Amino acid sequence: GAVVSQHPSRVICKSGTSVKIECRSLDFQATTMFWYRQFPKQSLMLMATSNEGSKATYEQGVEKDKFLINHASLTLSTLTVTSAHPEDSSFYICSASGHQGGSTEAFFGQGTRLTVV
Amino acid sequence: AQKITQTQPGMFVQEKEAVTLDCTYDTSDPSYGLFWYKQPSSGEMIFLIYQGSYDQQNATEGRYSLNFQKARKSANLVISASQLGDSAMYFCAMREGGGYQKVTFGTGTKLQVIP
Repeated sequence: GAVVSQHPSRVICKSGTSVKIECRSLDFQATTMFWYRQFPKQSLMLMATSNEGSKATYEQGVEKDKFLINHASLTLSTLTVTSAHPEDSSFYICSASGHQGGSTEAFFGQGTRLTVV
Repeated sequence: AQKITQTQPGMFVQEKEAVTLDCTYDTSDPSYGLFWYKQPSSGEMIFLIYQGSYDQQNATEGRYSLNFQKARKSANLVISASQLGDSAMYFCAMREGGGYQKVTFGTGTKLQVIP
């Protein structure tokens, strides 16, 4: 299957600082990328949808000024958690969609475990 | 209303036995796709199987098969010959419409395989 690489896998940051998470599609052009957040023992909740070259669409309740998403190319999307606070500690995971041999499957990155101290 | 419902928070299965993980969905869109993902403790989401709403046959991928009952709006995952490595969280998910639409996840089922 297609490969989506997410970096870093773990990050610890101080409260008030910003953290950038990268999501790359390695072997296909990702027309659309999705960012999810997962709290312990819970399901994945969609935060936002980004299409290459346009502004991200945020789900209700997600602060767009806090969670900045940039999808500047067909292979890279970034999520920046600005002025992070302990309540932002979570598992963030991206997925990418695009045509791979006719499939429109969504493939997931490895996830980033963010801890804000 | 929940779009994806997984009613089994946890399941146990004996090694080498088969297990069925339940999933029901709710949509009015005639075109949709159903997915199952496995999430081990490492956190990564591993794609297992996909069923399109217009697919006539039930999807199968190795030891995984999807029991698709369209009229009942259910898409249960069957894992045959369970292995210890199958212990993980399993999420049912749906994408409504075609193309690059978002995927909505159920609450998951934690499967534990007993030796």
